[in-house]
Amino acid sequence: EVHLVESGGGLVQPGGSLRLSCAASGLTFSSYSMNWVRQAPGKGLEWVSYISSSSSTIYYADSVKGRFTISRDNAKNSLYLQMNSLRDEDTAVYYCVRSGYYFDYWGQGTLVTVSS
Amino acid sequence: DIQMTQSPSSVSASVGDRVTITCRASQGISSWLAWYQQKPGKAPKLLIYAASSLQSGVPSRFSGSGSGTDFTLTISSLQSEDFATYYCQQANSFPYTFGQGTKLEIK
Repeated sequence: EVHLVESGGGLVQPGGSLRLSCAASGLTFSSYSMNWVRQAPGKGLEWVSYISSSSSTIYYADSVKGRFTISRDNAKNSLYLQMNSLRDEDTAVYYCVRSGYYFDYWGQGTLVTVSS
Repeated sequence: DIQMTQSPSSVSASVGDRVTITCRASQGISSWLAWYQQKPGKAPKLLIYAASSLQSGVPSRFSGSGSGTDFTLTISSLQSEDFATYYCQQANSFPYTFGQGTKLEIK
């Protein structure tokens, strides 16, 4: 059974940084593309970033480009999201999501709150 | 970017009802569309992919149709566990985008 477990969320001040991690199990992690998708409180879903299985292809939403960096370590079955220059509007639950073209497995999410 | 617009934003229905939710893309996306169900406090769950393919383990009362710009999700006979929020998502091109969601409530 596929399990994706996010960690690293918390309260951070505007302008601060945070690094999210996602530990994957139950799948051949190195074979799959991965994504981060977020959901602000009471709002809809927003795709944030994509990384291919070999890290050769990476995409970002315009809202985070230049501030967030996605990465992965296939030897550790782990996905990461380095978030810098955080803003109030980055407050959300961040989900680690497996994909081919569609988001078929989701973690439980980790809450990031940006507030002074 | 491709904009995804769902309608209605909310719908009230009763157990046993047939419900249809629509999703329109701002440009053609062929069949690169998925539907997700989300319950409060939980992660979304993939229901339908490639516009009309049922994800493994999803009940057959869920079905999807459409191609190009117009898509529908149909629940043939609502069960109590189906009351949730539903999102469409296009996978035609990055940035992947979601509809704003449709909240399905008990009448």
